[in-house]
Amino acid sequence: AQSVAQPEDQVNVAEGNPLTVKCTYSVSGNPYLFWYVQYPNRGLQFLLKYITGDNLVKGSYGFEAEFNKSQTSFHLKKPSALVSDSALYFCAVRDVNYGGATNKLIFGTGTLLAVQP
Amino acid sequence: GAGVSQSPRYKVAKRGQDVALRCDPISGHVSLFWYQQALGQGPEFLTYFQNEAQLDKSGLPSDRFFAERPEGSVSTLKIQRTQQEDSAVYLCASRSTLSGANVLTFGAGSRLTVL
Repeated sequence: AQSVAQPEDQVNVAEGNPLTVKCTYSVSGNPYLFWYVQYPNRGLQFLLKYITGDNLVKGSYGFEAEFNKSQTSFHLKKPSALVSDSALYFCAVRDVNYGGATNKLIFGTGTLLAVQP
Repeated sequence: GAGVSQSPRYKVAKRGQDVALRCDPISGHVSLFWYQQALGQGPEFLTYFQNEAQLDKSGLPSDRFFAERPEGSVSTLKIQRTQQEDSAVYLCASRSTLSGANVLTFGAGSRLTVL
């Protein structure tokens, strides 16, 4: 079965410093990987996705993620954190069954990013 | 509309009551999804519609959960005889045929508390 793991419940970083939010995946076949962000009392917002092609994917709000097949990872990164980046971040993978890719996303448990001023 | 709208935002139910949660997707979005997010967890898939057809309901946890989208726009998630373990945030998402694979637009959710 497809799955993603987010090993850190919380990541703390000072404003202006680079940030990394970790995600590892377990899939059969080629993975479709996603990052979503959830702000308090708001719906999840799409940040970026990896389907195929360049391993470095650029997304919204200056975020990027690096797909690493050998390490089965898809870590989210940003060169310089902002206090406004503080939110809950979810990694997700598209589910696959015997019929192929489905329309279902499997989410990780989330990582709370706290950026201190 | 500009986004996915869900109502009510908050619902408190006594155990055994029936509840109905409404989702207004973005106008013209063909695909609609329901997810359940328990406290401290990531969203978990419940069901998927393409227009009015419910194509996947594999995530519905029991036969007390029922979803419909009769005219291919507004959707309702109904939970009968609510139990305490049903307490969660219920998220609705929609997707247009033009967006990339699995790029969903989520609503703010309906938080259900069962006492």
